[in-house]
Amino acid sequence: AQSVTQLGSHVSVSEGALVLLRCNYSSSVPPYLFWYVQYPNQGLQLLLKYTSAATLVKGINGFEAEFKKSETSFHLTKPSAHMSDAAEYFCAVSVRAAGNKLTFGGGTRVLVKP
Amino acid sequence: EPEVTQTPSHQVTQMGQEVILRCVPISNHLYFYWYRQILGQKVEFLVSFYNNEISEKSEIFDDQFSVERPDGSNFTLKIRSTKLEDSAMYFCASGQDSQETQYFGPGTRLLVL
Repeated sequence: AQSVTQLGSHVSVSEGALVLLRCNYSSSVPPYLFWYVQYPNQGLQLLLKYTSAATLVKGINGFEAEFKKSETSFHLTKPSAHMSDAAEYFCAVSVRAAGNKLTFGGGTRVLVKP
Repeated sequence: EPEVTQTPSHQVTQMGQEVILRCVPISNHLYFYWYRQILGQKVEFLVSFYNNEISEKSEIFDDQFSVERPDGSNFTLKIRSTKLEDSAMYFCASGQDSQETQYFGPGTRLLVL
């Protein structure tokens, strides 16, 4: 079975500072990895995904994530935070053998300070 | 841009009552999913649906739950006899194929009293 751990349920960053959200996964087979963002009163929107191509994945809104198999990590970064980045971010894993169901981490809520 | 829609956005019901949560997936998608998130907990997989049948379900998805695609556009989740612990945000998702991105709706917040 696969699992995801997100370190830090809340992260506070200053506007213009680096955003780093940590995600570690566990999977017995090569995983597909995803980052979703949820803005208040909205659904989950895909930021980016890793599906065994390039290990550095670029997504929307200036976010990127790097798949590191040796560290079983898929951390999300953005060089410069914007006020509009305030939201909750979810890391998720799926594997083909498991029918593509997504297994989510606990989420990290990002607060951006002016 | 096409999107997944869900109705109602909020539902309050009495324990023991039946509820039906409705979803309209993106029109050319073939794979459909329900997830839920109890307040303060992780988003959890409930069930996946393809070719008019359940392809996978979690331990949460017991006999009280059922899904249906009644008319080729709607995808519903029915809870026959709600319990207090069914209070959660329920998300519908759809995907074009099994390895593509799942697109999520805005959710239905269910409160069981």
